[in-house]
Amino acid sequence: GQNIDQPTEMTATEGAIVQINCTYQTSGFNGLFWYQQHAGEAPTFLSYNVLDGLEEKGRFSSFLSRSKGYSYLLLKELQMKDSASYLCARRRNYQLIWGAGTKLIIKP
Amino acid sequence: EAQVTQNPRYLITVTGKKLTVTCSQNMNHEYMSWYRQDPGLGLRQIYYSMNVEVTDKGDVPEGYKVSRKEKRNFPLILESPSPNQTSLYFCASSYQAGAKNEQYFGPGTRLTVT
Repeated sequence: GQNIDQPTEMTATEGAIVQINCTYQTSGFNGLFWYQQHAGEAPTFLSYNVLDGLEEKGRFSSFLSRSKGYSYLLLKELQMKDSASYLCARRRNYQLIWGAGTKLIIKP
Repeated sequence: EAQVTQNPRYLITVTGKKLTVTCSQNMNHEYMSWYRQDPGLGLRQIYYSMNVEVTDKGDVPEGYKVSRKEKRNFPLILESPSPNQTSLYFCASSYQAGAKNEQYFGPGTRLTVT
């Protein structure tokens, strides 16, 4: 199948660290994206992984394990503006297949 | 400013009344795509275009049409809208299809069909 699974909602505290997981079907895998979407706005690109390992970009890091069909997005030093939905998408040839998104709620 | 624009941003219409949602990008991107976003389902691709005059069906193409006569424009046409097409629609573009080409999204069009 094309299923991409991620938790529906997570809550974290300002200043803390949160890890958002994503699992996907491994067949035909060509790369994995993470996007951020604030309520009522368009998704914006965060990261792309095609090889195993951790990619770090400031407060955000993304990890990929191709053999396990698993990725996570790690957000450090959480800020209130990080309250948003985080979308995981895997590339299938010339298309992106999207998860339903994880709504991240940040509490003071 | 590099951007993807969509019009209209909000539309309420009635069943069966043909409508077009326009999409335009000023980044000379080859790849363009239409998605719909529904609660709990995530983004689902309707149609995509690899380049001018090249379009292909995504995962949910029924009830929609597209055209790509110019590189910058990729309109979405609903010939006979139905209530199950009530949704939030996003147009997106990228430099090319494939690899790490990130997609840039328009602001979205919220469509209600009564």
